[in-house]
Amino acid sequence: QKEVEQNSGPLSVPEGAIASLNCTYSDRGSQSFFWYRQYSGKSPELIMSIYSNGDKEDGRFTAQLNKASQYVSLLIRDSQPSDSATYLCAVKLDPNAGGTSYGKLTFGQGTILTVHP
Amino acid sequence: DGGITQSPKYLFRKEGQNVTLSCEQNLNHDAMYWYRQDPGQGLRLIYYSQIVNDFQKGDIAEGYSVSREKKESFPLTVTSAQKNPTAFYLCASRQGGDNEQFFGPGTRLTVL
Repeated sequence: QKEVEQNSGPLSVPEGAIASLNCTYSDRGSQSFFWYRQYSGKSPELIMSIYSNGDKEDGRFTAQLNKASQYVSLLIRDSQPSDSATYLCAVKLDPNAGGTSYGKLTFGQGTILTVHP
Repeated sequence: DGGITQSPKYLFRKEGQNVTLSCEQNLNHDAMYWYRQDPGQGLRLIYYSQIVNDFQKGDIAEGYSVSREKKESFPLTVTSAQKNPTAFYLCASRQGGDNEQFFGPGTRLTVL
């Protein structure tokens, strides 16, 4: 079982719609959760971080975390063609979990999102 | 401008050669990381360093080496022992105590 799983897509949505991106993780010791956006040929850009259960909103983006279900999602409202990219989910273990994993992020394989006009 | 720089942007290497990828940051971040990305895959951790003169192996350290002699610099050497080095290499940094990692622009390495 992969530690962090995402549907690779591609996910195609029309302009103005809500895009919903999902991520599940296997380690219950995970503490911090991140969404990165990566345009083709570019490096990942951090767009959202979430640390506690519930929703966190930032502009058109909403991150949702459910630790009991080991599930984190990203909603993009009013999707624009410029949102077309690969979205990477990343998870960080509790630094008190021991070992040498402090600060280490584990990434999913990414979901390709296409927003068509 | 504060940020993370990586050089070169593109690198071509012949089989059997060692190459060194540069990563520099002026964010005064304590921790630095090297990741590798292959097409259609997520990022995999090669090495990381939390403080100067200390570094730890990540998940795929074989065939790679690093040094951390200065806080702002974390170069990665891809040795000839790395069997499949063609990939996109990403350097990241994180301020101590903060959770968020920020990435440099990356180096695309191709072995000819």
